[in-house]
Amino acid sequence: AQKITQTQPGMFVQEKEAVTLDCTYDTSDPSYGLFWYKQPSSGEMIFLIYQGSYDQQNATEGRYSLNFQKARKSANLVISASQLGDSAMYFCAMREGGSRSNDYKLSFGAGTTVTVRA
Amino acid sequence: NAGVTQTPKFRVLKTGQSMTLLCAQDMNHEYMYWYRQDPGMGLRLIHYSVGEGTTAKGEVPDGYNVSRLKKQNFLLGLESAAPSQTSVYFCASSYGGTRRLNGTDTQYFGPGTRLTVL
Repeated sequence: AQKITQTQPGMFVQEKEAVTLDCTYDTSDPSYGLFWYKQPSSGEMIFLIYQGSYDQQNATEGRYSLNFQKARKSANLVISASQLGDSAMYFCAMREGGSRSNDYKLSFGAGTTVTVRA
Repeated sequence: NAGVTQTPKFRVLKTGQSMTLLCAQDMNHEYMYWYRQDPGMGLRLIHYSVGEGTTAKGEVPDGYNVSRLKKQNFLLGLESAAPSQTSVYFCASSYGGTRRLNGTDTQYFGPGTRLTVL
C-alpha cells in the first residue's frame, strides 16, 4: 500500500501568492516523522521542513509551514509569498520510528511540480 | 563543511560494464543510504548502512552491492550494468541512533549521480 500520497502532479502559482501542496500518509506506527524536500531543476534534494508525530504545534521554517492534521493523516506544505526560485518538484516523505528495527527508509510520494509565474 | 558529496556527477556505461559510485559525508553521521530516482517517481532505497562496517538491503537491492569501510564513505557498486539501472542515484546520511526510534532522523542528500546504461 502507498504510504505517502501526493495527489497534485503539477501546480501553477502567481508570484507573491501562497500555495498549498497536499500530502496524506498511511502508518500504524504512533511514532513517525514527516519531511518535505525540494528538488529544483538542477536535481539536488533540499530538506525544507520536518514535523514529528508528537509535535503539538505545526512546524514552520521561514516561508514554509506544515499544516499537520494528525487525525486526517495529512501534512500539507504551505509556501507563502511565492518566489520564482520556488519553481521545483516538492516531495513529501515519511520516516516511521518506533521499535521496529528494519524500517530505515524514507517513504516518498510521487512529488508535485510547482511553477511560479511572474 | 561540504555536507554530502557524490562522484561522479554523470556517467554513461555499456551493458555489462561495472562501476562504483562514491559518497562521502563530513557531518559525522552514523547512517548512510543509497536511493535511486526514476522519472515520475519518488526515491526508492537500494541499500543502507547503520555504521562503519555494516550494510543492509533496502527496497530495490538487486544488481547492486555496497561497502562502508570508513564511517564517512559509502560505496555503491554495479557489477554488471543493465539498462534498467539507468537512473539518478542519490546518497544520503543521517545521525541515526535515538533519532531513528522517534522518527526525527532527518536525511541529508548529496547532489546525485545521473547514470545511463546503453
